[in-house]
Amino acid sequence: QVQLVESGGGVVQPGRSLRLSCAASGFTFSNYGMHWVRQAPGKGLEWVAIIWYDGSNKYYADSVKGRFTISRDNSKNTLYLQMNSLRAEDTAAYYCARGTAERATALDVWGQGTTVTVSS
Amino acid sequence: QTVVTQEPSLTVSPGGTVTLTCASSTGAVTSGYYPNWFQQKPGQTPRALIYSTSNKHSWTPARFSGSLLGGKAALTLSGVQPEDEAEYYCLLYYGGAQNWLFGGGTKLTVL
Repeated sequence: QVQLVESGGGVVQPGRSLRLSCAASGFTFSNYGMHWVRQAPGKGLEWVAIIWYDGSNKYYADSVKGRFTISRDNSKNTLYLQMNSLRAEDTAAYYCARGTAERATALDVWGQGTTVTVSS
Repeated sequence: QTVVTQEPSLTVSPGGTVTLTCASSTGAVTSGYYPNWFQQKPGQTPRALIYSTSNKHSWTPARFSGSLLGGKAALTLSGVQPEDEAEYYCLLYYGGAQNWLFGGGTKLTVL
């Protein structure tokens, strides 16, 4: 079945870096755009970034632009989120989601999430 | 700064009908915003319900429907069930900025 599994979360000090991974299975990963979405504790959902199916285009929320980098390895069916210069406000559960339909605008399948805590 | 606005909370009786809306501070929401709707229950991952305004996923119950209503995206639940009690989020696509924005969520209580 179609599945996304995130990993790489943890506790990190402010200013440090962390890389999240999202392993995809059950579908042709290289045919889909992929998103990262986060949710701070007790808060709503926040869209973070998208990468096109072939990695040719990447777009970010203003809150993470210049600090986070989305990437993918289609040979490994894996999506990544490199997070640098982490701040307390980046503390959240991070979900990867598959983008389908026109312009990958339909986020249909979601992973279970991985939790990032930024704290000294 | 663009803001997507949803009703903070709504209450509906079992078997009733309720409509949740999603507005953009930039103006009327059109099909070009490709509205999505998601359901999230406490402690669970968001579940996709509607995409591109009114299209249902294969797992979306028939009682959920999406539309455009008065310049907003709308999610209507007809014949509400107790298990529909959840937080509902809309998501809009801003093609000019290649940006997606979630609404703040609507907490739906079935009472």
